[in-house]
Amino acid sequence: AQSVTQLGSHVSVSEGALVLLRCNYSSSVPPYLFWYVQYPNQGLQLLLKYTTGATLVKGINGFEAEFKKSETSFHLTKPSAHMSDAAEYFCAVRFSGGYNKLIFGAGTRLAVHP
Amino acid sequence: EAGVAQSPRYKIIEKRQSVAFWCNPISGHATLYWYQQILGQGPKLLIQFQNNGVVDDSQLPKDRFSAERLKGVDSTLKIQPAKLEDSAVYLCASSSRGGTIPFEGTDTQYFGPGTRLTVL
Repeated sequence: AQSVTQLGSHVSVSEGALVLLRCNYSSSVPPYLFWYVQYPNQGLQLLLKYTTGATLVKGINGFEAEFKKSETSFHLTKPSAHMSDAAEYFCAVRFSGGYNKLIFGAGTRLAVHP
Repeated sequence: EAGVAQSPRYKIIEKRQSVAFWCNPISGHATLYWYQQILGQGPKLLIQFQNNGVVDDSQLPKDRFSAERLKGVDSTLKIQPAKLEDSAVYLCASSSRGGTIPFEGTDTQYFGPGTRLTVL
C-alpha cells in the first residue's frame, strides 16, 4: 500500500543547530513529494516540493530537501535553526495518476530552544 | 491576493447535533478540497471537487457527512449527526487546475486556517 512515514513525532534542537526531519514513502513508482509547515492555529503552508529533475530542492525560509530514490526518502534540512522555525512539519506525497490527491504523514513537531 | 477563507474558526457542539462549515477558495481556483485533521495525525482528504463535480469522496463517511459546491465557487461541509470522534480541525484547500481527467504533475494546494470542531 502507498504510505508516508515521518520518523519522530517530536524533534528538539538548539537555536543555530542543524534541523533534520525525516520522511519516507512506500511506492514502487516515485511520487511527487512535498513538505508543508503549520504554525499554531494556522493552515498549512508549502515549504518546497519535488516533481522531476534536480533531486536537491530549495524552499522558503532556508529549508531544503533531497529526494533519494534508492532510499525512498525525502528528508528536510536546515543548516541553522531559528526560534521562528518552531512549528509542525508535514511530509506529503502525490502518487502517480489520479486527481492531485495528497497523502500526509503524521507530522513532526519541531521545538527550538535557546 | 486573498487566501482561502473558512468560517467559523471554532465550533463546540454536543454529540448528535448538526454542524456546517463554509469555505471560499482563492479566486479563480477550480479545485476545492476538504481535509480532516485529527489531533496528532496528518490531514486526511475527505472530498475533492473539480469545479462543481466530485472527483474523490472515497474517505467521506457518507452516512453523516455531506458536502456541496454550488456554482463552482464556495463550499459547505456538513456533519449530521456529529459523533465524539468527529472532533478535529477541518481544513479547506484550493488549487487552480480544473478538468475531470486524471493528470500527471502537481497543482499546488493552498490551505485555509481551518475550523476546529469539538464534539462533547
